[in-house]
Amino acid sequence: EVQLVESGGGLVKPGGSLRLSCVASGFTFSSSNMNWVRQAPGRGLEWVSSISSSSAYIYYADSVKGRFTVSRDNAKNSLFLQINSLRAEDTAVYYCAREGLIVWGQGSLVTVSS
Amino acid sequence: QAGLTQPPSVSKDLRQTATLTCTGNSDNVGTQGATWLQQHQGHPPKLLFYRNNNRPSGISDRFSASRSGNTASLTITGLQPEDEADYYCSAWDSSLSAWVFGGGTKVTVL
Repeated sequence: EVQLVESGGGLVKPGGSLRLSCVASGFTFSSSNMNWVRQAPGRGLEWVSSISSSSAYIYYADSVKGRFTVSRDNAKNSLFLQINSLRAEDTAVYYCAREGLIVWGQGSLVTVSS
Repeated sequence: QAGLTQPPSVSKDLRQTATLTCTGNSDNVGTQGATWLQQHQGHPPKLLFYRNNNRPSGISDRFSASRSGNTASLTITGLQPEDEADYYCSAWDSSLSAWVFGGGTKVTVL
């Protein structure tokens, strides 16, 4: 069964940092481009970042550029999102999604509040 | 990043047909194709179609998708109560090197 499982979310103060993880199973992770997408409470989906299978190509939304860093460890079938300088507007459920948005994890909630 | 345009809501009677639209441009929907996602309240998005009309196994054939130019469409025939959900379209934008999303369409089955 193809599966993505996120972890690492939580309550963080403004200006703080967090590292999200996504562990993949059931498909060849090392051959798949991967994505992070977030959804603020009551809002729509917002693309955050994409990383190619070999990490050669990395893209970020303008709203997170310079604060978020995506990475992956193909040996461990894992995708990461390092989130720094958190703001209230970063509060959202963060989903990892496989190439083409064809498979989604269950999401990890990040809440930024003092 | 500029997004795709979807109507915010569609309401139809049980067993009727709903058609949802998604308008982009030649950098995204027009060349890359649209991906359609269904999201029920409190759940993650679920893939309905990728690259216009490729339906993964397990998706009901009451759902169909198409594209004409820069506009993609999702049609749901024989609406059922379980079809009440938010529907998002998305596409890779080759100019922005980014995924762009529509704002979502909330489907209500009366």
